[in-house]
Amino acid sequence: GAVVSQHPSWVICKSGTSVKIECRSLDFQATTMFWYRQFPKQSLMLMATSNEGSKATYEQGVEKDKFLINHASLTLSTLTVTSAHPEDSSFYICSAPSGQWNTEAFFGQGTRLTVV
Amino acid sequence: QKEVEQNSGPLSVPEGAIASLNCTYSDRGSQSFFWYRQYSGKSPELIMSIYSNGDKEDGRFTAQLNKASQYVSLLIRDSQPSDSATYLCARTDSSASKIIFGSGTRLSIRP
Repeated sequence: GAVVSQHPSWVICKSGTSVKIECRSLDFQATTMFWYRQFPKQSLMLMATSNEGSKATYEQGVEKDKFLINHASLTLSTLTVTSAHPEDSSFYICSAPSGQWNTEAFFGQGTRLTVV
Repeated sequence: QKEVEQNSGPLSVPEGAIASLNCTYSDRGSQSFFWYRQYSGKSPELIMSIYSNGDKEDGRFTAQLNKASQYVSLLIRDSQPSDSATYLCARTDSSASKIIFGSGTRLSIRP
C-alpha cells in the first residue's frame, strides 16, 4: 500500500504555544489529504480536507483560525495547532487517498499532542 | 442516526475461532467500503476494501457487502491473539470526497 509519513509522533507543548504537524506522502502524489482527531476510546473525527494549492475545507465546528492547514506541494500537508490549550490534547492523524479509484485512505503514524 | 453503525463490543472470541464483525450504514449512495484495524495508540491500517455486492477474501479475512440491506461485515478465520484490536468500518460519502468512519468494534482474542 501507499506510504504516508507523519511527524512528529508525539509532542508536548505549553499552553498558548503553537505546534506544527507534517504529513508526507512518500511514494505517491496526493492532491488531497485528510486530517483527523481522535480522543481516547472514540472514533476518528474528520477535521478538514487539505487541498493542494487551494484552501482547506473544514468540517462543521472546527475552527479554521485555530487549526491552520497548508498543502503547498503534492506530497506535503501541514496542520498547525495555534494557541494550544489542554483541551486540544488528542491524537491527530493524517491520511491520503490512494489505491483503487483513489478511495482507499492510507494513514500516517499519528501525532500524540499533549498540552500542559 | 449515525452514518456508520457498529457494535462497540468488546467482542471476545477464542483463539482459532471465527470472529464476525458487523456494520450498517445509512447512505445508499455509498460505493466504497472499508475495514480498518487499529491497535491501541496507533493509527488505523487498511485491511480490506470492497466495492461490489458479495464476498471478498484475502487470507484469513473475508469482507461481505450487501448494498440492498446496507450491511457490510468482516470475518476473521483462525483468530489469533494478534488480531485483538479495534476494527473500524468505513465508507465513502456519496460524492466519494471523504471517508466516514464508524466508532469501531473492540475485538479480543482469548488464548
